[in-house]
Amino acid sequence: SQQGEEDPQALSIQEGENATMNCSYKTSINNLQWYRQNSGRGLVHLILIRSNEREKHSGRLRVTLDTSKKSSSLLITASRAADTASYFCVRMDSSYKLIFGSGTRLLVRP
Amino acid sequence: DAGVIQSPRHEVTEMGQEVTLRCKPISGHDYLFWYRQTMMRGLELLIYFNNNVPIDDSGMPEDRFSAKMPNASFSTLKIQPSEPRDSAVYFCASRLNQGARNTEAFFGQGTRLTVV
Repeated sequence: SQQGEEDPQALSIQEGENATMNCSYKTSINNLQWYRQNSGRGLVHLILIRSNEREKHSGRLRVTLDTSKKSSSLLITASRAADTASYFCVRMDSSYKLIFGSGTRLLVRP
Repeated sequence: DAGVIQSPRHEVTEMGQEVTLRCKPISGHDYLFWYRQTMMRGLELLIYFNNNVPIDDSGMPEDRFSAKMPNASFSTLKIQPSEPRDSAVYFCASRLNQGARNTEAFFGQGTRLTVV
């Protein structure tokens, strides 16, 4: 399969809580990116972390990368109903191919 | 720039017909990707191009699928003949790699294909 593993597959939280999504992969990467998709529409880039970085922040988003464990996590703090979407971990390999994970469906209840 | 533009947005066709999906990448971008999204298989990379040259088409499911990029501004994904199992949302994406490999991809809004 092209896809890495993401967990959980689905996550339901209350507005204001934090949401954590995890991603694992098997091959080496140039970087790892997270994308968001609302209801089957287009995908929007959220954040990119390079293979030599361990943590990165962007607004309410925090991404970590552990290349020794081949895993990454996305934390959304103080979630809002508008954060309801599917979130995908995307790895760029050495040939600049972009490979999607299976995604996490996040529901933020008002 | 208007972003990545895909056409048509929706396509309904009968089994056996030829289908052509179109993509205009962001001007100046040197990588173009075609993806297919279904509930069962998620987002699959079908093929990608670098400077109009196909780099990896290992994700193309069958010989019925073909993709071309005749110039830097245009790419097509063709299915001939189409089958009901080809029903999916097809996304095109582009990114600029030259001189800056750690850049994001920009996606079009997708083409929702229904084969009946």
